[in-house]
Amino acid sequence: GAVVSQHPSRVICKSGTSVKIECRSLDFQATTMFWYRQFPKQSLMLMATSNEGSKATYEQGVEKDKFLINHASLTLSTLTVTSAHPEDSSFYICSAQSLAGAQETQYFGPGTRLLVL
Amino acid sequence: QQQVKQSPQSLIVQKGGISIINCAYENTAFDYFPWYQQFPGKGPALLIAIRPDVSEKKEGRFTISFNKSAKQFSLHIMDSQPGDSATYFCARLNLVFGKGTRLSVIA
Repeated sequence: GAVVSQHPSRVICKSGTSVKIECRSLDFQATTMFWYRQFPKQSLMLMATSNEGSKATYEQGVEKDKFLINHASLTLSTLTVTSAHPEDSSFYICSAQSLAGAQETQYFGPGTRLLVL
Repeated sequence: QQQVKQSPQSLIVQKGGISIINCAYENTAFDYFPWYQQFPGKGPALLIAIRPDVSEKKEGRFTISFNKSAKQFSLHIMDSQPGDSATYFCARLNLVFGKGTRLSVIA
């Protein structure tokens, strides 16, 4: 099946620094990528929808200036957590929607665990 | 946002038994209902999905039953195995996820 990778898998940073997370579709092109956040033992919460070549659409309550999303190509989207704080510590997961497949079919990445000290 | 209400929150099933997880949704405008399986520290993986033009879909030991009039859909895992122990999420399209059900299959 289709493969989505995320890098890094785990990151620890100091409060106030910025962290970039990459999401790549390895064997397919993705017009749309999605970013989710998952706190421990909780569900996935959609943060934003990213379309290649255009601005991301953010869900209500998600600060677009804090969570910068760039979808520069059909295989890469990046999420940058700017001026990270301990409350941003979470599991960040991306998914990619295949250009060729069914519209609703998404493939999830393995997630990135962020810990802000 | 439209919600999906998932139950139970946790479930313990004997090996070989049937695991049943339920979800209820609020809006009939959506035509794709997936179930995801997630192991600790991993991203979710699509398990099975259904469109409301059918009432049931089966893939191996996994079955989705869909009740459009009741606005409910459920996941049945037949012959549950310890390796099925994971957290399961239902979703509305892929935009809103249920709170998850932690399944433990015990020998």
